[in-house]
Amino acid sequence: DIQMTQSPSSLSASVGDRVTITCRASQVISNYLAWYQQKPGKAPKLLIYAAFTLQSGVPSRFSGSGSGSDFTLTISSLQPEDVATYYCQKYNIAPWTFGQGTKVELK
Amino acid sequence: EVQLLESGGGLVQPGGSLRLSCAASGFDFSRFGMNWVRQAPGKGLEWVSGISGGGSSTNYADYADSVKGRFIMSRDNSNNTSSLEMNSLRVEDTAIYYCAKALLYGGIDYWGQGILVTVSS
Repeated sequence: DIQMTQSPSSLSASVGDRVTITCRASQVISNYLAWYQQKPGKAPKLLIYAAFTLQSGVPSRFSGSGSGSDFTLTISSLQPEDVATYYCQKYNIAPWTFGQGTKVELK
Repeated sequence: EVQLLESGGGLVQPGGSLRLSCAASGFDFSRFGMNWVRQAPGKGLEWVSGISGGGSSTNYADYADSVKGRFIMSRDNSNNTSSLEMNSLRVEDTAIYYCAKALLYGGIDYWGQGILVTVSS
């Protein structure tokens, strides 16, 4: 099975900072990659699919890039409401494996 | 508005069985794949299973200590419901289980609120 590895596992940043989270697949997955945001006690929320397509209603400060096996989620200007855990997920073939998550906190 | 409502969770003893259901509304149910994703207390997300829109194709997590061979996912397109039959439950199956709707080409765009399954003696 393809493994998904996110880095870092956690980060601390200030409001207005640019934040970058990376996700690496152990094999090529083309652009079959999604990013989710999960706040404590809540269900995950889709941010980006197909590696770079922004889900409707998601603020434009979120962006995704990459293809093949290396992907990036960028928050261009961190806001207090962005404090959450972020997950990548590959979905080219089953199993639709998630990364282990990246916890984003405010400095 | 898309809504996914899970039911059937609760406390079960190790080795026991439980059936989760997901009632869907607000979209053309038979067109979209459905998934179950779980999250153990304090842990990350784990994809459990998925089923195609027509129900002809089903997949399960098959990595170590996973659910393949113990869990069965199904759907009833006439009633807009999806189910997860969980057998031979283990303590490590304790988690919040989310019903989730797939995008047309994959990925998940809508999630239920989740339902807690606790496996304990």
